[in-house]
Amino acid sequence: GESVGLHLPTLSVQEGDNSIINCAYSNSASDYFIWYKQESGKGPQFIIDIRSNMDKRQGQRVTVLLNKTVKHLSLQIAATQPGDSAVYFCAENWASMDSNYQLIWGAGTKLIIKP
Amino acid sequence: NAGVMQNPRHLVRRRGQEARLRCSPMKGHSHVYWYRQLPEEGLKFMVYLQKENIIDESGMPKERFSAEFPKEGPSILRIQQVVRGDSAAYFCASSPVWTEKNTEAFFGQGTRLTVV
Repeated sequence: GESVGLHLPTLSVQEGDNSIINCAYSNSASDYFIWYKQESGKGPQFIIDIRSNMDKRQGQRVTVLLNKTVKHLSLQIAATQPGDSAVYFCAENWASMDSNYQLIWGAGTKLIIKP
Repeated sequence: NAGVMQNPRHLVRRRGQEARLRCSPMKGHSHVYWYRQLPEEGLKFMVYLQKENIIDESGMPKERFSAEFPKEGPSILRIQQVVRGDSAAYFCASSPVWTEKNTEAFFGQGTRLTVV
């Protein structure tokens, strides 16, 4: 079964506010965690990733936090804009026994930016 | 530099027909991944291919589904004798190499298969 799951299926945020999307995972052996953004009718788009030996990584308006103690991942989006409305997926990069890498995906959180 | 191209974007098939989904990876990418997505759900890994080789097909049903990535031409995901439960969006992603240091695969726009 899936090892990555999300706490909230839908999140509504006022434009300009910050948003936090959460994700739980169960596979301690995963090397990387990735956040993807998927707009309606489009394929997933890479946002940011973080290695398992880090606890924080920042990008442009986005910050990913990794708490390995409680196996929790979060995506913070600062000063949200209408274009941030999308479904956000966390995924873990997992190496199988024969060293092939797979992405294991969570179910997604729909972020709605209210004007 | 064109991105990952998938066609058709939408495909309607009657039960029992065959569905062929095509994926042309980004230029220079020799690794292709197929995923399936049901509405309101995340992507489920199906198969990982390199040129002329299937590397990992652990996510693909044993029956009716097959995938190839020939030396020339696009990768093909083939579903024989489709059933209503095959209706989903099928996404293809490509990358130049897939290691722990390169996790940014590029996704196509997907093919939405509807079985009627």
